[in-house]
Amino acid sequence: ETGVTQTPRHLVMGMTNKKSLKCEQHLGHNAMYWYKQSAKKPLELMFVYNFKEQTENNSVPSRFSPECPNSSHLFLHLHTLQPEDSALYLCASSQELRFTDTQYFGPGTRLTVL
Amino acid sequence: AQSVTQPDIHITVSEGASLELRCNYSYGATPYLFWYVQSPGQGLQLLLKYFSGDTLVQGIKGFEAEFKRSQSSFNLRKPSVHWSDAAEYFCAVVSMEYGNKLVFGAGTILRVKS
Repeated sequence: ETGVTQTPRHLVMGMTNKKSLKCEQHLGHNAMYWYKQSAKKPLELMFVYNFKEQTENNSVPSRFSPECPNSSHLFLHLHTLQPEDSALYLCASSQELRFTDTQYFGPGTRLTVL
Repeated sequence: AQSVTQPDIHITVSEGASLELRCNYSYGATPYLFWYVQSPGQGLQLLLKYFSGDTLVQGIKGFEAEFKRSQSSFNLRKPSVHWSDAAEYFCAVVSMEYGNKLVFGAGTILRVKS
């Protein structure tokens, strides 16, 4: 699926670093999502944006800071992360913010925090 | 607690054999049900979904799933598995009881023997 792209695909960072994950969707969708996929755990919804406005923050620690400058781009800014934040971070988009709309996922960014 | 359960962490089948992946949910009302597949290094792709109507749902890649209300189950099936089906499979549920968000099971890893 090339409709949703994510960069970088892999990222290694120290606990004191600041980095950003980027997601871009080429599908003309209005809703975008960040998910965290940890080993042996179900996907966890982190943030939801609808028409650039954040509609959901699923009790995510403040060391994760999302940004949605327009409906096509979504960023996740990272700072002072912990080793337990190591995971695959997936971006998704859907046409509208409706549960009946299919979510299209990017390939993810594999994050390792040392 | 509301949850989505995929009892099998790993399943191995021979190429050409039939496949059934199990999914159970514990929501009170009939939820909306989905199956996603994640190939190595890829994002999640929707295989099929059930909202209402015929309880046997056809999806892409030759997969089907059957909703059984009495068993709170939505098992995924394929009559003849191909080596390219090796991937991780996720059952997911949307329920008004959980704010109309996608809630995922922990996944089942499918290995295909040649």
